[in-house]
Amino acid sequence: AAGVIQSPRHLIKEKRETATLKCYPIPRHDTVYWYQQGPGQDPQFLISFYEKMQSDKGSIPDRFSAQQFSDYHSELNMSSLELGDSALYFCASSLKGPGDEQYFGPGTRLTVT
Amino acid sequence: DAKTTQPPSMDCAEGRAANLPCNHSTISGNEYVYWYRQIHSQGPQYIIHGLKNNETNEMASLIITEDRKSSTLILPHATLRDTAVYYCIVALPGGTSYGKLTFGQGTILTVHP
Repeated sequence: AAGVIQSPRHLIKEKRETATLKCYPIPRHDTVYWYQQGPGQDPQFLISFYEKMQSDKGSIPDRFSAQQFSDYHSELNMSSLELGDSALYFCASSLKGPGDEQYFGPGTRLTVT
Repeated sequence: DAKTTQPPSMDCAEGRAANLPCNHSTISGNEYVYWYRQIHSQGPQYIIHGLKNNETNEMASLIITEDRKSSTLILPHATLRDTAVYYCIVALPGGTSYGKLTFGQGTILTVHP
């Protein structure tokens, strides 16, 4: 079965650089979520999109922005990177409907040096 | 979002049932109980969810008390590959303007030979 695809899987950037993470949801899934997991921490919700509109926002820094495109893929743009942005970034997708589960991608490991 | 409380760690012998408890005393009437697990640095994996009735799928069973203030995830025959952090999460259904998952501490389940 098709899964959530994230690219790149690993990314190394320097401080103050920008990074773009991409997420391709499972076909027919219309909702995308982004989570950040720092070293030794639990995943933290950043932002979500439903039908290409932002549906919820968590603890996402102002330096980060995201959008969902017409083909439902999503991109997380991160600017002015800081050392503390080093983390695993997970994307998840789900189908519309009550109690629907989220399917997570393998994550992008971002290292800021 | 309702807060959940889970034991920080549990052990289980391979082949035996693993029973993971979760307290969610402030759950509201339309919130579901979800269980996810995360095997080291992989994307979280959906296990099961429920609203008020007990649920069973190919992975696990979910027992929710009648007052919905607590639940138990049951892995009927634990294997070494079930070693992971298990998260009990209470959330509104996805596909709406809600659905974000708030990951708490979780239970580190270690299955040993």
